[in-house]
Amino acid sequence: GAGVSQSPRYKVAKRGQDVALRCDPISGHVSLFWYQQALGQGPEFLTYFQNEAQLDKSGLPSDRFFAERPEGSVSTLKIQRTQQEDSAVYLCASSFQGERTEAFFGQGTRLTVV
Amino acid sequence: AQSVAQPEDQVNVAEGNPLTVKCTYSVSGNPYLFWYVQYPNRGLQFLLKYITGDNLVKGSYGFEAEFNKSQTSFHLKKPSALVSDSALYFCAVRDMGTGFQKLVFGTGTRLLVSP
Repeated sequence: GAGVSQSPRYKVAKRGQDVALRCDPISGHVSLFWYQQALGQGPEFLTYFQNEAQLDKSGLPSDRFFAERPEGSVSTLKIQRTQQEDSAVYLCASSFQGERTEAFFGQGTRLTVV
Repeated sequence: AQSVAQPEDQVNVAEGNPLTVKCTYSVSGNPYLFWYVQYPNRGLQFLLKYITGDNLVKGSYGFEAEFNKSQTSFHLKKPSALVSDSALYFCAVRDMGTGFQKLVFGTGTRLLVSP
C-alpha cells in the first residue's frame, strides 16, 4: 500500500480482555517499530523488528505485551489482560534499514480500556 | 542515552509571522535529528531530517530547521506561518546506543497559528 496501515483505528476493551492490534507496513520496509503514545505525550518506544526478527523489546512495559512479525511483513501487537493504564494510542512505523532513514507512521490505534 | 528536549509546551504566532519551535538534543556521537508533525487523530508525518552536511535543512510544507552543534539545538522554523500549520510538533533523535535505530521523541510542542 501507499502508507502504513493500522487496524482497528479504535478499540474499546473491558479490563482483563485480550486485544490484538495489526500493522501493515510499507512494502519493502525492513524495519518496523511499535510506539505507545499517551494523551498529551510524545511517542514512547515499545519494540523493533528487522524483518521477522524482534531485535529490541526493551520498551514493552510488561510481559502482558507481546509483538510478532512472523513473515517479516505484517506485525501484530498483542496485549493480554488489559488494564486501564494500557489506554493509549499505539503507533506503528516502518522504514528502510539504516540510521539515516526516516520512519513512516500509521494513523494509530486508539485503545480505551474500561 | 540520546534525548531531546522541547522547552515550550505551546507556541502562539499570528498568521504571516515567522515561527520557531525549539528543540535541543543530547547525544553521544553524530546526531541524527528529525521533526514530525501530528494533526488531530492522525499519525506522525515526517517533515525533515538532519544527517550531515548543510546546517540548514529544508523540508515539507515550507518548513526548515537549523542545526547548531555548539548550542546542541535543532530548531524548526518557517518564514510565514499559516493557520493550517496549527498542530503538534515533535522533535526526535535516533538512538544509536542500542544499535537498533529507534527514534526517541520529545514531549511535543503545540503550535497555534491565529488568523
